[in-house]
Amino acid sequence: KAGVTQTPRYLIKTRGQQVTLSCSPISGHRSVSWYQQTPGQGLQFLFEYFSETQRNKGNFPGRFSGRQFSNSRSEMNVSTLELGDSALYLCASSLKSNNEQFFGPGTRLTVL
Amino acid sequence: KNEVEQSPQNLTAQEGEFITINCSYSVGISALHWLQQHPGGGIVSLFMLSSGKKKHGRLIATINIQEKHSSLHITASHPRDSAVYICAVSRNGGATNKLIFGTGTLLAVQP
Repeated sequence: KAGVTQTPRYLIKTRGQQVTLSCSPISGHRSVSWYQQTPGQGLQFLFEYFSETQRNKGNFPGRFSGRQFSNSRSEMNVSTLELGDSALYLCASSLKSNNEQFFGPGTRLTVL
Repeated sequence: KNEVEQSPQNLTAQEGEFITINCSYSVGISALHWLQQHPGGGIVSLFMLSSGKKKHGRLIATINIQEKHSSLHITASHPRDSAVYICAVSRNGGATNKLIFGTGTLLAVQP
């Protein structure tokens, strides 16, 4: 069974731009969660989607948004990028909520 | 004060040593997760537990719900165990995958 895949793996953007990151969960998994990892703040929860519905949202500004499609693939979008958005963005999938989560390799975003 | 605290922050061990990493939390939880992150970023789920003890190979995880404490043990440590070990909890209150993370323990196992 293929693991969680994320694209792109690396991304360089400039301040003010927007970015879309993609996550394909393990086949059969309906829950997708997104996390941000920075050296200063560590790992922080962004949002969770289940069956195309956002179930939970972390404490991030409205510039961070996401969605999930009917095939469980998920995207997250960050608009008006700031230098502080430079981070590793990880997505994780699970069969359902409150289950073991399987992480993707992450997308490393650098904002210049 | 962080809701999830780990100790130690850094740990250096010699190959073959028995290693213990501790995690304390201050909130009601539905489950506790132990994760491993190697340089380069990839995170692997080691354990998800809500009571008792689990074992997988040389790794053992225990949790004491009353004391709000969990430990991760590595027996016969090996240099390939060198990684960051992260404790995370999912809070009580409905089905959720939202995790609250500790700051991680950087383990270096020297040959």
